[in-house]
Amino acid sequence: GESVGLHLPTLSVQEGDNSIINCAYSNSASDYFIWYKQESGKGPQFIIDIRSNMDKRQGQRVTVLLNKTVKHLSLQIAATQPGDSAVYFCAAPKSSTLGRLYFGRGTQLTVWP
Amino acid sequence: GAGVSQSPSNKVTEKGKDVELRCDPISGHTALYWYRQSLGQGLEFLIYFQGNSAPDKSGLPSDRFSAERTGGSVSTLTIQRTQQEDSAVYLCASSSQGSSNQPQHFGDGTRLSIL
Repeated sequence: GESVGLHLPTLSVQEGDNSIINCAYSNSASDYFIWYKQESGKGPQFIIDIRSNMDKRQGQRVTVLLNKTVKHLSLQIAATQPGDSAVYFCAAPKSSTLGRLYFGRGTQLTVWP
Repeated sequence: GAGVSQSPSNKVTEKGKDVELRCDPISGHTALYWYRQSLGQGLEFLIYFQGNSAPDKSGLPSDRFSAERTGGSVSTLTIQRTQQEDSAVYLCASSSQGSSNQPQHFGDGTRLSIL
């Protein structure tokens, strides 16, 4: 079945550094990917998405890279701030017609001052 | 409000009792999803509603779990005869379409604790 998974469960960075969170997926037919941020006691918050016809997409301080050849995507956060501390999930839908999402187990990002 | 609203935010109940969890999706969103998140885990899909189509119930863990969506808007997730393993955060999400290429927006969940 489909699966998505993050490479590292925890990541610690210093304030101002760039952060990179990686994710692998198994379904080569996956055509849409989403990154979510979840703070303690809150629901997942949409950060950025990317479709399979793109290799890169940029938002405010965030960039998502998609490598379909090796079925890998990454979330890059520029100039990481303490407010970025949270659990980050990558997610992908089951198929192009069904919206249920498969989530990785998450990476806990901790930003040190 | 503009976001997905869930109630109650916390629920503590005794084993064997029934519970109802409510979700108000974003206005105009036709697709609604329920997920469950156990401590330190990713999200586990439960059920999905899209418009007037039959719901996708394939993620419900047992027949003690059921959900309905009335009038294409508000949804209620019901757990009968609760067990301790049902303790988790139950998250609701909605999206503007049922197709996969629209982001799902989540509420803050109901934290359910079974004593």
